[in-house]
Formats: sequence, structure tokens, C-alpha cells
Amino acid sequence: SQQGEEDPQALSIQEGENATMNCSYKTSINNLQWYRQNSGRGLVHLILIRSNEREKHSGRLRVTLDTSKKSSSLLITASRAADTASYFCATARSGGSYIPTFGRGTSLIVHP
Amino acid sequence: DTGVSQNPRHKITKRGQNVTFRCDPISEHNRLYWYRQTLGQGPEFLTYFQNEAQLEKSRLLSDRFSAERPKGSFSTLEIQRTEQGDSAMYLCASSFEGLAGIEQFFGPGTRLTVL
Repeated sequence: SQQGEEDPQALSIQEGENATMNCSYKTSINNLQWYRQNSGRGLVHLILIRSNEREKHSGRLRVTLDTSKKSSSLLITASRAADTASYFCATARSGGSYIPTFGRGTSLIVHP
Repeated sequence: DTGVSQNPRHKITKRGQNVTFRCDPISEHNRLYWYRQTLGQGPEFLTYFQNEAQLEKSRLLSDRFSAERPKGSFSTLEIQRTEQGDSAMYLCASSFEGLAGIEQFFGPGTRLTVL
């Protein structure tokens, strides 16, 4: 079963706009990760945020985590056509073996 | 290229046949994972190894599936008596065990089509 669920399922924007996608999960987590997948490069790790962190930045990426709401968001600023991909959140449950459990993903299309 | 590699990249087989996939992880990584991904879904965990020990198996891994990592390096995933429902992308990932929060490095996957 999928632990995390991304929202929206699909997102279409113009180059230069910001893209925001959300992830909700069900059980207490140790950390949450975001991955990107496109046909050319497979699954690539983007960023990890731990349960005691609230916000993290990496380049044009900004991730937030609200453990009280069991949700996270990924913001991509100034999007580029090359950002077109599927984005997945993956959660590692507290007290578990830290195996990431993936959601169904958000499909992002950035139009040039 | 020092990333995770998988072979073959594509496999077409007839229902009832056995297939075997290979994964070569990043050399210093002691953890190796297998996932299955179908269209429109995220990767679903199948099993993982720490060194040569298979530590966890998903309920998705039926008796027809077996995975090995004999020397703690490469791994094989075998599916016996394939069924059409086995058609999917099989992904391998590796990581180095550390404190909580393990970044996984994924291979390109093996796409299986069962006719």
C-alpha cells in the first residue's frame, strides 16, 4: 500500500512559473524524501527532510514539512522545461527499517 | 559510470516462462533494494538486502519471486512461471546504511513484458 499521496496528480504550467505539489501521509515518519523521475534518467533523489525539520532548500527547490498535519510540500521556483517529470514523495516510518515508501506521484509538465 | 546498473533493460517473455534480472549496485553501498513500478504508480517495495542478508520482504513478493545477493555485491531477482500481471518495471536501488534518512540511488530499471 502507498504511504504517501501526492496532490495534484497532474500539473501543467508555463516556463518561469512556480510549481507546488503536496504530499500527505498516514503514519508517523522519521524522514520524508522527494524524488524525480523522467524517462531519460530514471528516479533521482532531490531532497530529504527529517521529522524535526520544518523547511529545507536546495537550489530552486523548497520543501516544507508539517508533522502535525502529516503533510509536505515541494515548491519548484522559476520552472524550466527540463523540470518536466513525475515527482514522488517517499516516507520512512518511525521505528521502521527506513525503507522509503513511495506515493503515486505528481506528473509535472512545464511548457516552454 | 559508477551508478547502479541493471540488466537487461527490457525483457519480453511468454507467460509461464522464468526470467532473471541482475542489479549491480554502487560498489561501496551495503544496502540493495528491489522495487516494482507499474504505469501511473510509484515504486512498490519488494525486498531489500543488507550485505548478503535478505532482511525484509514485502507481501507483494509471492512464492514465484526469489531474490539473492550471494556475495553482498550484485543481486538477482528471479520470477518463476511468469504471469501477465508481472508486467512492470523492476527497479533496483542501493544505499549506504547510516543514520536515519538514507538516500537511495536507483538504476534505470528492467521493463518486463509478459505476453
